[in-house]
Amino acid sequence: EDKVVQSPLSLVVHEGDTVTLNCSYEVTNFRSLLWYKQEKKAPTFLFMLTSSGIEKKSGRLSSILDKKELFSILNITATQTGDSAIYLCAVCSGGGADGLTFGKGTHLIIQP
Amino acid sequence: GAVVSQHPSWVICKSGTSVKIECRSLDFQATTMFWYRQFPKQSLMLMATSNEGSKATYEQGVEKDKFLINHASLTLSTLTVTSAHPEDSSFYICSATSTSSDTQYFGPGTRLTVL
Repeated sequence: EDKVVQSPLSLVVHEGDTVTLNCSYEVTNFRSLLWYKQEKKAPTFLFMLTSSGIEKKSGRLSSILDKKELFSILNITATQTGDSAIYLCAVCSGGGADGLTFGKGTHLIIQP
Repeated sequence: GAVVSQHPSWVICKSGTSVKIECRSLDFQATTMFWYRQFPKQSLMLMATSNEGSKATYEQGVEKDKFLINHASLTLSTLTVTSAHPEDSSFYICSATSTSSDTQYFGPGTRLTVL
């Protein structure tokens, strides 16, 4: 059974801090790892990672995958209160025709 | 990015009634659509995978006769919760992928409350 474990489960920091969110996985037939941000409603897509060691970056957010050690991290620098959300990590193990296996998420709270 | 819509965004119904939820891909053709359920303070759990023109594939523990899925076109999938009970109250989210991408784009979700 595919498994995705995120840590920490919750995190409270002050505005301006840098945070690192972790995601480890055990899946058969790994294809890609995806990060999503979930606020009040459905998740919004952040990154998809397929290759080890290649950092993906979007503004203050970046992410990298280590396929040997089976984990990924999501970094957020200079955090803002608008970054408060649940960050979900998901793994795709069968391609476009298979559903994603999600971790439980990291609940990030940015205090002013 | 790709846009997926869901309707309705929330619904309250009486126990024993059926509720239909629609999921549409607005600016791309979705060969595959997925239905997830999310209980409070929990992550998304895949319920079923639906491919246009064929029967849906259900995850273990999900009753196919209770959660009817129809994927009649490349832009529309529907989930019908039949004979709903209070324990079916949850947040139902659909997602869609285009032909060759692993990336799933999510709809805004439907909050179902069964009284």
